[in-house]
Amino acid sequence: GAGVSQSPSNKVTEKGKDVELRCDPISGHTALYWYRQRLGQGLEFLIYFQGNSAPDKSGLPSDRFSAERTGESVSTLTIQRTQQEDSAVYLCASSNVGRGYTFGSGTRLTVV
Amino acid sequence: AQSVSQHNHHVILSEAASLELGCNYSYGGTVNLFWYVQYPGQHLQLLLKYFSGDPLVKGIKGFEAEFIKSKFSFNLRKPSVQWSDTAEYFCAVGSSGTYKYIFGTGTRLKVLA
Repeated sequence: GAGVSQSPSNKVTEKGKDVELRCDPISGHTALYWYRQRLGQGLEFLIYFQGNSAPDKSGLPSDRFSAERTGESVSTLTIQRTQQEDSAVYLCASSNVGRGYTFGSGTRLTVV
Repeated sequence: AQSVSQHNHHVILSEAASLELGCNYSYGGTVNLFWYVQYPGQHLQLLLKYFSGDPLVKGIKGFEAEFIKSKFSFNLRKPSVQWSDTAEYFCAVGSSGTYKYIFGTGTRLKVLA
């Protein structure tokens, strides 16, 4: 597509429930990233995928967080047993060699 | 480890004032540098980028940034701000040839009409 698409745009969930966030990158972009932006804070790196290489998961805050990507297409970020501190905007971005990121509009997650 | 520092967390300016937002990074190798902007209610957009060549980079909307290697800095400038420049600005750095970039904590700019 023309841009990075994320869904849902907003998600309210109860504490303890699992959530799944989706990112559809720009077609042909080999790299895909997930970042988290908490209120009033900067962007926190979570995970990135590059082609068929093993993903860099160094930013995932706990084992409740996981992400998958099939080839160079859609990625899903799953948060299990959500906690209130998981409330944030989850941003997805994609890029290609030698380019900056193109960001999606994010998923605002609120855990109540 | 790489890190990015944006020392100005909040900046308030009047229209037509000059702007300079600081960005310092910590990394010894060759880097790629970026400034992103997030206007209220919108997603992050690339403002400008530096990969190599002329260290003075011009971006959209009259913004420019200067890469000073000796100071590990990539400050963002605009000679005369407008009310529409009200936004949050993020500096990012990554090792040349890699995909992973580290973002600063952002600077919230408010321009008073």
